[in-house]
Amino acid sequence: RKEVEQDPGPFNVPEGATVAFNCTYSNSASQSFFWYRQDCRKEPKLLMSVYSSGNEDGRFTAQLNRASQYISLLIRDSKLSDSATYLCVVNIPDTGGFKTIFGAGTRLFVKA
Amino acid sequence: DTEVTQTPKHLVMGMTNKKSLKCEQHMGHRAMYWYKQKAKKPPELMFVYSYEKLSINESVPSRFSPECPNSSLLNLHLHALQPEDSALYLCASSQGLPFGWRETNEQFFGPGTRLTVL
Repeated sequence: RKEVEQDPGPFNVPEGATVAFNCTYSNSASQSFFWYRQDCRKEPKLLMSVYSSGNEDGRFTAQLNRASQYISLLIRDSKLSDSATYLCVVNIPDTGGFKTIFGAGTRLFVKA
Repeated sequence: DTEVTQTPKHLVMGMTNKKSLKCEQHMGHRAMYWYKQKAKKPPELMFVYSYEKLSINESVPSRFSPECPNSSLLNLHLHALQPEDSALYLCASSQGLPFGWRETNEQFFGPGTRLTVL
């Protein structure tokens, strides 16, 4: 089983739609969780950190479910500019600390 | 200044060349990272420097040699690379260290160097 797994894409949605992505992680001792977005041929950009039960930033809501070991990202009122790859990132325990593992990413296409 | 800069943006090199990638941040971050990203794949961690000391080496071949001259700079020296090493090389930094669970470990990425090995 992969350490971090994401919904396979791509997701094709119309403008204004609500879309949700899930991400599961295998190590129950994982502590820090993030969502990044990456545009084609660009660097990943931090979208949201998820440290406790979840958080909201405008149209974006991230949830953490420790019992089921998954995090989710909800995007409301999708915009064309939301089209990107969304990367789930988890810090998993490692010798002496932790290391950062990226999920494979989920591609989102928002169409007019 | 919340920016991580990387130079060069593009690099083409032969298998016998020696080149270096450079990364700089002026956010006072204590940890810096090198990642490799192949097309349609997620970034893969290569090295982590914490307080200018190498703290994580993800079993990267010795043809990649990192260096951290000071707290703001991170280099990646390249020698005798293979065509399969062609990729986007991303540098990142974070205020938090990869040790303490209470640390805020949000990483901020530079634009990357797109490397082609012929």
